[in-house]
Amino acid sequence: GQQVMQIPQYQHVQEGEDFTTYCNSSTTLSNIQWYKQRPGGHPVFLIQLVKSGEVKKQKRLTFQFGEAKKNSSLHITATQTTDVGTYFCAGGDFAGGTSYGKLTFGQGTILTVHP
Amino acid sequence: GAGVSQSPRYKVTKRGQDVALRCDPISGHVSLYWYRQALGQGPEFLTYFNYEAQQDKSGLPNDRFSAERPEGSISTLTIQRTEQRDSAMYRCASSLGDIFYGYTFGSGTRLTVV
Repeated sequence: GQQVMQIPQYQHVQEGEDFTTYCNSSTTLSNIQWYKQRPGGHPVFLIQLVKSGEVKKQKRLTFQFGEAKKNSSLHITATQTTDVGTYFCAGGDFAGGTSYGKLTFGQGTILTVHP
Repeated sequence: GAGVSQSPRYKVTKRGQDVALRCDPISGHVSLYWYRQALGQGPEFLTYFNYEAQQDKSGLPNDRFSAERPEGSISTLTIQRTEQRDSAMYRCASSLGDIFYGYTFGSGTRLTVV
């Protein structure tokens, strides 16, 4: 079945440094979504990418979808303490049939920001 | 309601007992999903519904697990004859539709089987 891998598992940065997490799928994806989960909280939807090579920005966050639609990245510029949490990518694969809504989540990257 | 509501927030049950976990999605959301999240891991798909129809139940681990959404709104995930390995955070999410919509997750139900 489809697998989604994320690296790194952990990232510790000083406030103001940049951060990147990478997501790789074993199959071609129909779409990819990114979620943020604060400690003790639940995943919160950040963004969705659908097109090959797509790049989207949200303030200091930049999201990319690879040309082959098998990988994605999230880059945060000049991290702040409010960026602390676990970032998950989640891939959809419509090619298998009718399960359009199912997402396969990566294991997440835990970001710690030291002030 | 304003968000996805799950109850109970915490459930401790003895091995062998049945449990029912409830999810009340955002009003008007067509799609409802159940995921299970182990500590330090990403959510793992269990099943999902569009309206009252169960679209995919491929993630249910075995026949002790079942889910329903009889009126296309509130859903119940039932685990029969619970085992210790069922202990986890069970998360419900809903979305406007199942294609190209982000999920809104609830706060989850922490199930502990002792």
